[in-house]
Amino acid sequence: GESVGLHLPTLSVQEGDNSIINCAYSNSASDYFIWYKQESGKGPQFIIDIRSNMDKRQGQRVTVLLNKTVKHLSLQIAATQPGDSAVYFCAENTTGRRALTFGSGTRLQVQP
Amino acid sequence: ETGVTQSPTHLIKTRGQQVTLRCSSQSGHNTVSWYQQALGQGPQFIFQYYREEENGRGNFPPRFSGLQFPNYSSELNVNALELDDSALYLCASRQGTSGNTGELFFGEGSRLTVL
Repeated sequence: GESVGLHLPTLSVQEGDNSIINCAYSNSASDYFIWYKQESGKGPQFIIDIRSNMDKRQGQRVTVLLNKTVKHLSLQIAATQPGDSAVYFCAENTTGRRALTFGSGTRLQVQP
Repeated sequence: ETGVTQSPTHLIKTRGQQVTLRCSSQSGHNTVSWYQQALGQGPQFIFQYYREEENGRGNFPPRFSGLQFPNYSSELNVNALELDDSALYLCASRQGTSGNTGELFFGEGSRLTVL
């Protein structure tokens, strides 16, 4: 069956370093991918999305890379700050489906 | 612009009881989805409402039901509560037709504890 998973449950980085959070998906038909940030006690917050006709998209301090060949998605955060500490989820969707399928999340801890 | 708001924020119920959770969608959004997030897990899709009709459902039993009102607000009802229903229930809204995904805006959630 389809699944979205994450390689590492917890990632610890030093403030100012770059962070890379990885995600694997199994559904070849997936054509839309999103990264969400969820802080403790809050709902998921949209970070960045990418469609399958792209392999890279950049936002403010964040970059999403998509490798459809190996069904892999990554989120890069430049100059990680303490405010980036949260759980990060990747999610995928296929055109025509109503639901987003979320992975189980990676906790990012930023050390001062 | 008002974001997605949910109520109540926390509630405690006992097994067998019924619960109603409420959601006001973001201004201008006509599509509302509900997700269940168990502790330490990613959100799981329950169902979606568009123009007051359910137009998508995840793998949840019929005791999970919902409504959408003309102002696009929504309710999630869960009957015959079970211990495993303890979770954070998230409402998300977006603007779009039934076929699009678009960017979902989530509320802060309603934390349900079933004893």
